[in-house]
Amino acid sequence: EIVMTQSPATLSVSPGEGATLSCRASQSVGRNLAWYQQRPGQAPRLLIYGASIRATGVPPRFSGSGSGTEFTLTISSLQPEDFAVYYCLHYDAWLFPFGPGTKVDVK
Amino acid sequence: QLQLQESGPKLVKPSETLSLTCSVSGGSISSNSYYWGWVRQPPGKGLEWIGSLYYTGSTFHKPSLRSRVTLSLDKSKNQFSLTLSSVTAADTAVYHCARLNWGSGWYFDSWGQGSLVTVS
Repeated sequence: EIVMTQSPATLSVSPGEGATLSCRASQSVGRNLAWYQQRPGQAPRLLIYGASIRATGVPPRFSGSGSGTEFTLTISSLQPEDFAVYYCLHYDAWLFPFGPGTKVDVK
Repeated sequence: QLQLQESGPKLVKPSETLSLTCSVSGGSISSNSYYWGWVRQPPGKGLEWIGSLYYTGSTFHKPSLRSRVTLSLDKSKNQFSLTLSSVTAADTAVYHCARLNWGSGWYFDSWGQGSLVTVS
């Protein structure tokens, strides 16, 4: 079973600055990776799928990259609404493990 | 626009069975283009996939929950359901239903707001 890890657990960033979040798989998952944003009290929101494809309505400041075992979500200039928890999700053999999440908070 | 809404009891006693229904509007659960699924989130913790199902009735589950989980769908009502038996306090969580897309990879692309179920 593939295990997903995310780093850092918490990332403190000033508004307007950029942020880089990492998701790592214990073995290669190709490009089968999605990223989600979850604000407090809300359902997760799909940001990226297929490692780098932005979902409908997602601003271009969000970008995903990577393949195999290393993936990155980059937020180019954090807006107030971007302070949230971000999760990665992978599909593997009819299993859907989420990563543990990275909390992006205000520095 | 697709909408999903969870419904069911908010409080369940330990050892009893948790039952939730997801009502889908703006799309059909009978579509062969999507799967459907359940994801839960204990208070203050991360997301945990529970299981998913297809319009044919085929299902797949997280292995550690498989013995307690039943997934089903009611095409006539455009709903799908989750039952989780023998619940404990560890099953207290917000339960989300979601649509599982399998184009350009697999991912949940639409979510219900979630239903907090407390086991006590």
